[in-house]
Amino acid sequence: DGGITQSPKYLFRKEGQNVTLSCEQNLNHDAMYWYRQDPGQGLRLIYYSQIVNDFQKGDIAEGYSVSREKKESFPLTVTSAQKNPTAFYLCASSITGTSGELFFGEGSRLTVL
Amino acid sequence: AQSVTQLDSQVPVFEEAPVELRCNYSSSVSVYLFWYVQYPNQGLQLLLKYLSGSTLVESINGFEAEFNKSQTSFHLRKPSVHISDTAEYFCAVRSSNQAGTALIFGKGTTLSVSS
Repeated sequence: DGGITQSPKYLFRKEGQNVTLSCEQNLNHDAMYWYRQDPGQGLRLIYYSQIVNDFQKGDIAEGYSVSREKKESFPLTVTSAQKNPTAFYLCASSITGTSGELFFGEGSRLTVL
Repeated sequence: AQSVTQLDSQVPVFEEAPVELRCNYSSSVSVYLFWYVQYPNQGLQLLLKYLSGSTLVESINGFEAEFNKSQTSFHLRKPSVHISDTAEYFCAVRSSNQAGTALIFGKGTTLSVSS
């Protein structure tokens, strides 16, 4: 089945460690996105990419990094510079040039101890 | 730039009662509007969307939303809710003439349906 796969679903890390969240899609979508979700805050955009080897910062990019070496993959690294990394992270994709409707993965919950 | 305000953070209702989840947006250009639903520890699923044409849009599970340009609103309604409708609901907006930009989301409304 076509869709977006995020892994791992749950992740625990010690403070000061970098972590990488995986996002893979087989929908043949050009655009991919990372959002962060905190209780009562809704979804806030971290990074997005409209095409391979190109990406743009969203509203809360500080402390995060991404790469887009393949159309199918858009991994997110939460670095030690991110002051409050514990959150639910959602990856999404869309077809460029259309309504922009997003298709979401199941999310990854990161807890920093 | 666009923004979205969901006017209620929590809406408790009894089963079979009607419900309205309110969403207002701000934009200087024409927009696309979306409602997404999220069940606990899951991703978001599209409930319905307004792109153009009829201002009343419907979902397959009985929800409907009406685009009101003069009020800049896109409220979500259901005439009779079920326990299974308990979830968090997000309203989102995007400019219709800026291809490739991301959706802007509201902060969400938690709908709690009890018997």
